[in-house]
Amino acid sequence: EPEVTQTPSHQVTQMGQEVILRCVPISNHLYFYWYRQILGQKVEFLVSFYNNEISEKSEIFDDQFSVERPDGSNFTLKIRSTKLEDSAMYFCASRIESVNNSPLHFGNGTRLTVT
Amino acid sequence: AQTVTQSQPEMSVQEAETVTLSCTYDTSENNYYLFWYKQPPSRQMILVIRQEAYKQQNATENRFSVNFQKAAKSFSLKISDSQLGDTAMYFCAKGGSQGNLIFGKGTKLSVKP
Repeated sequence: EPEVTQTPSHQVTQMGQEVILRCVPISNHLYFYWYRQILGQKVEFLVSFYNNEISEKSEIFDDQFSVERPDGSNFTLKIRSTKLEDSAMYFCASRIESVNNSPLHFGNGTRLTVT
Repeated sequence: AQTVTQSQPEMSVQEAETVTLSCTYDTSENNYYLFWYKQPPSRQMILVIRQEAYKQQNATENRFSVNFQKAAKSFSLKISDSQLGDTAMYFCAKGGSQGNLIFGKGTKLSVKP
């Protein structure tokens, strides 16, 4: 069964550094998402992406964050200048269509540790 | 703002017993979708079951079923014949307007042998 893949599984970075988290959504999916889960807390929506542009973003997704689909297969989340509070699991997800009953398929996540 | 509330931070159940996880939500929409996701220690997010709000019949997937009470905005998950592999965090989620999901804080379920 096709799945969403995320790399790396764990990224350690120093405060102030830029990080890029990578995702390969399921190939025929059209809608892409990033979520964040701070340890022990709930999963929070960051951003949704469709047709090469952001369709919705949350308050968390400030100017330090950006997303890109550079080559038609990868979907990346960039954090320009990481802060300690950016330490979290970051999940990429995709779905084939926008209707709300089509399930989100999640990747296994990237654990980001900012020191 | 839409919210999803899971009032049970932790629960435990004996193997083979039945457990119910509660979830309530707030919305002004009439048609929407609700989901339960499982997150085992591996941290992967796995869809367990989904419910469409316009359907009165409760969704069922093998040992997993829901009790959907639209007027009360309640969406509980029942796990029958609990298995050790059911040990995980369980997140209730509601579909948002752009296809994103709004999650509750989760319930940590431990199945004891």
